[in-house]
Amino acid sequence: GQQLNQSPQSMFIQEGEDVSMNCTSSSIFNTWLWYKQDPGEGPVLLIALYKAGELTSNGRLTAQFGITRKDSFLNISASIPSDVGIYFCAGSDPPFGVRGGADGLTFGKGTHLIIQP
Amino acid sequence: EPEVTQTPSHQVTQMGQEVILRCVPISNHLYFYWYRQILGQKVEFLVSFYNNEISEKSEIFDDQFSVERPDGSNFTLKIRSTKLEDSAMYFCASSPVGNEQFFGPGTRLTVL
Repeated sequence: GQQLNQSPQSMFIQEGEDVSMNCTSSSIFNTWLWYKQDPGEGPVLLIALYKAGELTSNGRLTAQFGITRKDSFLNISASIPSDVGIYFCAGSDPPFGVRGGADGLTFGKGTHLIIQP
Repeated sequence: EPEVTQTPSHQVTQMGQEVILRCVPISNHLYFYWYRQILGQKVEFLVSFYNNEISEKSEIFDDQFSVERPDGSNFTLKIRSTKLEDSAMYFCASSPVGNEQFFGPGTRLTVL
């Protein structure tokens, strides 16, 4: 099956620092999604990307859909303590040109963000 | 804000027993999904459901698994004869018409 390689596996940063993580795939995805998961809870959708080259922001979060359709990155600016958690990228590949549908998401293994006071 | 809800939050069962995990998707959503996450690992797709039938299923979703939408609000996952390796968090998700899938809080299944 399709695999998503997410890096780094974990990040130890100081509060206020900017964070960058990325996801790559050997195959093309037509949709990239970024989720955050807190311990014992379900993934929460942060940003959805539908178009190659698309750059989308959600508050302090910015994500981009790579031109090759095989990668995406997520940046967090000026990190705060509540940013702690695991960030997952996820991709789906519905038939080109068809948005939506019942396709399951392929998830990366996650980036564990730890913020040191 | 509407949310996906799941019950129970934690289910403990004996190996070989049947379990039913329940979900109430967001009310105007049309697509429904089940995923699982083994402790410390990534989220894995099990099955998607649309228009009262299975649309896609993964290799994990074998004959021991089934899904049902018994009424207009509930969406269930049944595991007929649980195995130790079925122990995991099971997440339900729903989507309106796009690929933005919204996840519930999960059910922790422990098989003894």
